[in-house]
Amino acid sequence: DQQVKQNSPSLSVQEGRISILNCDYTNSMFDYFLWYKKYPAEGPTFLISISSIKDKNEDGRFTVFLNKSAKHLSLHIVPSQPGDSAVYFCAASALNAGGTSYGKLTFGQGTILTVHP
Amino acid sequence: DAGITQSPRHKVTETGTPVTLRCHQTENHRYMYWYRQDPGHGLRLIHYSYGVKDTDKGEVSDGYSVSRSKTEDFLLTLESATSSQTSVYFCAIAGTPGYGYTFGSGTRLTVV
Repeated sequence: DQQVKQNSPSLSVQEGRISILNCDYTNSMFDYFLWYKKYPAEGPTFLISISSIKDKNEDGRFTVFLNKSAKHLSLHIVPSQPGDSAVYFCAASALNAGGTSYGKLTFGQGTILTVHP
Repeated sequence: DAGITQSPRHKVTETGTPVTLRCHQTENHRYMYWYRQDPGHGLRLIHYSYGVKDTDKGEVSDGYSVSRSKTEDFLLTLESATSSQTSVYFCAIAGTPGYGYTFGSGTRLTVV
């Protein structure tokens, strides 16, 4: 049962254009969402997050949008740069799950982003 | 990130042998996690710890055990390695649960 899904295994965009990565979730207990970026042979690194009380969070070129009713979030990268080429994972946690979540994150399958010069 | 290290970085082992992977942190974080990364599955939680000697199972815990005898070390053991356990294993730490982790660089394990 995949509670967090990234349905696009890969995305290719031109440098300077917008990259949009999508993520869907099914568990209504999730109330905090994160995006991680991963380069080959390295561990994932935190990129940006959003709480369920917000619908948008922005950090430089990166913006995350959350649509709770659709259980959907997206990551926008504008403008895209070749150095953004990596695997992007969305993740979700249930912070208010009665104290039993212990910070467990549920990850999607990942989307490989390639930004062409 | 210097605050978390995994060892070994690479290992090849034979089917049926026990294997232990080590995660060491210098951040004094309470929460530690072991994930495996496989194509098409993303990152899946194996086991986690919420304190010394306090551990619990994740979604793919069969065939794995863990131990945490001190804050800084979290060990993952494959009791009898199988080919299905060929994967990249990541350790993560968190000071505040749920708000995101810091990951180690991973251990690539091949079971032949």
